[in-house]
Amino acid sequence: DAGVTQSPTHLIKTRGQHVTLRCSPISGHKSVSWYQQVLGQGPQFIFQYYEKEERGRGNFPDRFSARQFPNYSSELNVNALLLGDSALYLCASSRRQGAIRNTIYFGEGSWLTVV
Amino acid sequence: QKEVEQNSGPLSVPEGAIASLNCTYSDRGSQSFFWYRQYSGKSPELIMFIYSNGDKEDGRFTAQLNKASQYVSLLIRDSQPSDSATYLCALRTGLNAGGTSYGKLTFGQGTILTVHP
Repeated sequence: DAGVTQSPTHLIKTRGQHVTLRCSPISGHKSVSWYQQVLGQGPQFIFQYYEKEERGRGNFPDRFSARQFPNYSSELNVNALLLGDSALYLCASSRRQGAIRNTIYFGEGSWLTVV
Repeated sequence: QKEVEQNSGPLSVPEGAIASLNCTYSDRGSQSFFWYRQYSGKSPELIMFIYSNGDKEDGRFTAQLNKASQYVSLLIRDSQPSDSATYLCALRTGLNAGGTSYGKLTFGQGTILTVHP
């Protein structure tokens, strides 16, 4: 089975632009989460979606939004890009929402550079 | 106090030695704990997760959890140069308005491990 797939893998945007990142979870997984990882730090939680509903939100501005589709794939949108949004954006997939034995797997990530 | 703190690195061990990575956390409600390995320029790769007190072994890796003392550790036996990477400790936290967990992972800052031949 394919793992978590993300696209695009690399992209460069200019300040003020908008970006859409995409994620397909592992087959059978219904939960998708998004994380931002800046260089030298651990990933920071942005959103979690389960069964197409937002179930958790991290401390990110309203410029960040996401959604989950009926096939459980997800999009992360960031508006009005700032230089500080340059980071690795990670999508994480899990079978269920918060079960204690729930394993969580990451995709390869999307490297975003804002210039 | 940070939610998740990992022992400061970088950590350097000789090939064949045991590498010990430690992590302490502040949220007593944390339910499960994860160790990820991240090579430079790559995404985190799940090594192990543990949710019960005690030890969990998988090949050369052993995770140890002590909820009373609020720490979790990862031991790597017979360390190899290919183990050189950043190791991230993460705990599953996060409660929604209904009080049920939604599975947010909170990460430490990572510990850089170098295994030298």
